[in-house]
Amino acid sequence: AQSVTQPDIHITVSEGASLELRCNYSYGATPYLFWYVQSPGQGLQLLLKYFSGDTLVQGIKGFEAEFKRSQSSFNLRKPSVHWSDAAEYFCAVGARHTGNQFYFGTGTSLTVIP
Amino acid sequence: EAGVTQFPSHSVIEKGQTVTLRCDPISGHDNLYWYRRVMGKEIKFLLHFVKESKQDESGMPNNRFLAERTGGTYSTLKVQPAELEDSGVYFCASSQVRLVNEQFFGPGTRLTVL
Repeated sequence: AQSVTQPDIHITVSEGASLELRCNYSYGATPYLFWYVQSPGQGLQLLLKYFSGDTLVQGIKGFEAEFKRSQSSFNLRKPSVHWSDAAEYFCAVGARHTGNQFYFGTGTSLTVIP
Repeated sequence: EAGVTQFPSHSVIEKGQTVTLRCDPISGHDNLYWYRRVMGKEIKFLLHFVKESKQDESGMPNNRFLAERTGGTYSTLKVQPAELEDSGVYFCASSQVRLVNEQFFGPGTRLTVL
């Protein structure tokens, strides 16, 4: 069965520090992978997605993620965090044969301290 | 272009009452999805409409939940009668093509059942 694991429930980083949010998935074929962010009172906003090709994908707001098939991972990174990055981040897996439904992780809540 | 909108943003009801959530997808999006996040858990798929037809309702928890999509436009999700375990955030998403692609999410409706 498909599943997504985000092992870090909550992370606190200092503004300007680097960030890495972990995501591991379980899926029988090549997955389609997504990272979404939810700021308070907002909907889920797509940060980036991976379908195929280059395993390092660039997203909005300076985020990037790397697909590693051997590790079944799709970790999200940002070299320098800004206070406005404080939000909840969700990793998701999708695939055509599952009817287009997405499978989400439990989310990682990010706090940024000055 | 207006995004996905959901109404109400919050709803507090008592056990046994009925609640109806509404989702207006992005204009022209044939695909409409409902998801739910119970506190501390992952966001879980409920069902998928293609236009007015239910494509996949495998995630609907039980027959107390009824989803409709009138004329292939907006959708409603009715919970009758509501139980305590129905509390959570209900997200709606829409997408333009019947492929795994970017699903545009609404801000969610926070439902609290007392």
